[in-house]
Amino acid sequence: ETGVTQSPTHLIKTRGQQVTLRCSSQSGHNTVSWYQQALGQGPQFIFQYYREEENGRGNFPPRFSGLQFPNYSSELNVNALELDDSALYLCASSLEGSRREETQYFGPGTRLLVL
Amino acid sequence: AQSVTQLGSHVSVSEGALVLLRCNYSSSVPPYLFWYVQYPNQGLQLLLKYTTGATLVKGINGFEAEFKKSETSFHLTKPSAHMSDAAEYFCAVRSGAQKLVFGQGTRLTINP
Repeated sequence: ETGVTQSPTHLIKTRGQQVTLRCSSQSGHNTVSWYQQALGQGPQFIFQYYREEENGRGNFPPRFSGLQFPNYSSELNVNALELDDSALYLCASSLEGSRREETQYFGPGTRLLVL
Repeated sequence: AQSVTQLGSHVSVSEGALVLLRCNYSSSVPPYLFWYVQYPNQGLQLLLKYTTGATLVKGINGFEAEFKKSETSFHLTKPSAHMSDAAEYFCAVRSGAQKLVFGQGTRLTINP
């Protein structure tokens, strides 16, 4: 059984550019959540996708968008990058997004640096 | 709104000593509580979780936590620290179906 994988591991962009981060969920999981972890802070919820539909969103602007594919992998897209977008982006998959007791399993993250 | 407060951004203990990491939560509904560990340059790994039932929860690597509703706390303990326990620890609450709300984290250092 493979765990959650993310690509790329590191990325450097300049302000104003666009970026796409990718996540493959754990086998059998149909729910993917994305979090942003700024340096020295806890992760902040961006949004969740459940069976290819957005299933909840945190306090992030619309330039943060996502997709979930039929195989339940997911993308996080960020447009018009700002310096404050520099962070570790974590993807987490879970078996059934609508159940509170479900554990979210995290990938290793993508570290994004915006210059 | 749900929130988590972790008391102490840095905790340092000697190898073999008791580890106690404090977590207090705020939730308008019965909370589901989680502790995750993050090693340098890695993602988050689940240590343990409380959903319902027994309030003392045992996790991996010898860690355990006790849910105390009256104190709105979910402190993490380990009787004897090991050098490999050095990491960042995050407490999280899940009240809504979607998101985890994390605390700011506690960095645990183990002194030889």
